[in-house]
Amino acid sequence: DQQVKQNSPSLSVQEGRISILNCDYTNSMFDYFLWYKKYPAEGPTFLISISSIKDKNEDGRFTVFLNKSAKHLSLHIVPSQPGDSAVYFCAASDANFGNEKLTFGTGTRLTIIP
Amino acid sequence: NAGVMQNPRHLVRRRGQEARLRCSPMKGHSHVYWYRQLPEEGLKFMVYLQKENIIDESGMPKERFSAEFPKEGPSILRIQQVVRGDSAAYFCASSPRTGHETQYFGPGTRLLVL
Repeated sequence: DQQVKQNSPSLSVQEGRISILNCDYTNSMFDYFLWYKKYPAEGPTFLISISSIKDKNEDGRFTVFLNKSAKHLSLHIVPSQPGDSAVYFCAASDANFGNEKLTFGTGTRLTIIP
Repeated sequence: NAGVMQNPRHLVRRRGQEARLRCSPMKGHSHVYWYRQLPEEGLKFMVYLQKENIIDESGMPKERFSAEFPKEGPSILRIQQVVRGDSAAYFCASSPRTGHETQYFGPGTRLLVL
């Protein structure tokens, strides 16, 4: 039962353009969402998060949008840079019971073309 | 401020041996989570611990796997009588408290069972 889905296994974007990564979830109890970036042979690195009380959060080149009615979130990276090439994971948690275990999507491999 | 430390980074075991994976959380963090990533998959939650307590072990296989987070020292994930299917990357994450806190990940331990 895949509660967090990233339907695009890979994405290629020209350097300088906008990268848009998508994520869908099925569990309506999720109330906190995070994006992580992962390089090979390293651990995931936190990028940005959003609480369910918001619909947008921005941090530098990264913006996350949350559409609760559609159970959909997206990560926008603009402008895209070669160093952004990595696997991006969407993750969600339900903090209502003080247990914030993360449920991850399967990842999207982003390649920035110079 | 050192990040989450995991050791060893790589571990090779023969079938039937024991594997011990260690995780030292970030300074000031008392919540530890273990995740496993099988090849070509996302990260899957295994267990959530606070000092001297297992809070949620719903993601742990029922047999051969155990985890602890003692009052002093690192958190340990122990796998007894390893099988080839245990080959994976094991990641530890820590956070300072619950309540929409970001989890920060270590570099992972890559376990290979021969």
